[in-house]
Amino acid sequence: ETGVTQTPRHLVMGMTNKKSLKCEQHLGHNAMYWYKQSAKKPLELMFVYSLEERVENNSVPSRFSPECPNSSHLFLHLHTLQPEDSALYLCASSHLDSSYGYTFGSGTRLTVV
Amino acid sequence: QKEVEQNSGPLSVPEGAIASLNCTYSDRGSQSFFWYRQYSGKSPELIMSIYSNGDKEDGRFTAQLNKASQYVSLLIRDSQPSDSATYLCAVNAGNQFYFGTGTSLTVIP
Repeated sequence: ETGVTQTPRHLVMGMTNKKSLKCEQHLGHNAMYWYKQSAKKPLELMFVYSLEERVENNSVPSRFSPECPNSSHLFLHLHTLQPEDSALYLCASSHLDSSYGYTFGSGTRLTVV
Repeated sequence: QKEVEQNSGPLSVPEGAIASLNCTYSDRGSQSFFWYRQYSGKSPELIMSIYSNGDKEDGRFTAQLNKASQYVSLLIRDSQPSDSATYLCAVNAGNQFYFGTGTSLTVIP
């Protein structure tokens, strides 16, 4: 399998649930990212991992917890979310210097009820 | 000032016309420039990249870069209804990567 794969594609969860989003890249990239995109809004960068080390955390609430066990896998652990967290969550990967751009996964459509 | 600015649109063009999308950026040290297409509810897809001044053509798409004026544009010739999407401009400056807010394009049959 090639490219960037995200699972699940759709997720409905209650505010008291705990769930995880998974991202896997097969491109040999060394940097991975989580973005949030709410309806009709621009991309919001959440987390950046470079060589498996978190290098950026854009004031994201602690109910979102990222994990990068290796350069090919990225997780976003979710707990006690709010309805306003409902959005499209996108994973992306790139080479370290981003000189060839980002490759996005297909995204997880999250609905918090 | 935002790092990357785009007119949010919506931009409407008739089928077969040329659609012109524009983007300006603030960091003169920017090295790489990209256009992404995002269909509603889908993830962004890289459609063009450009690294040096001038034009770069790929099928119906032409990217234009002018570093002196700090703008990059995307021309879509013979626009098709399937081109209707939001187009995101992205700029790589050093180790920072910035996305614009996107321009919504509608091609009217």
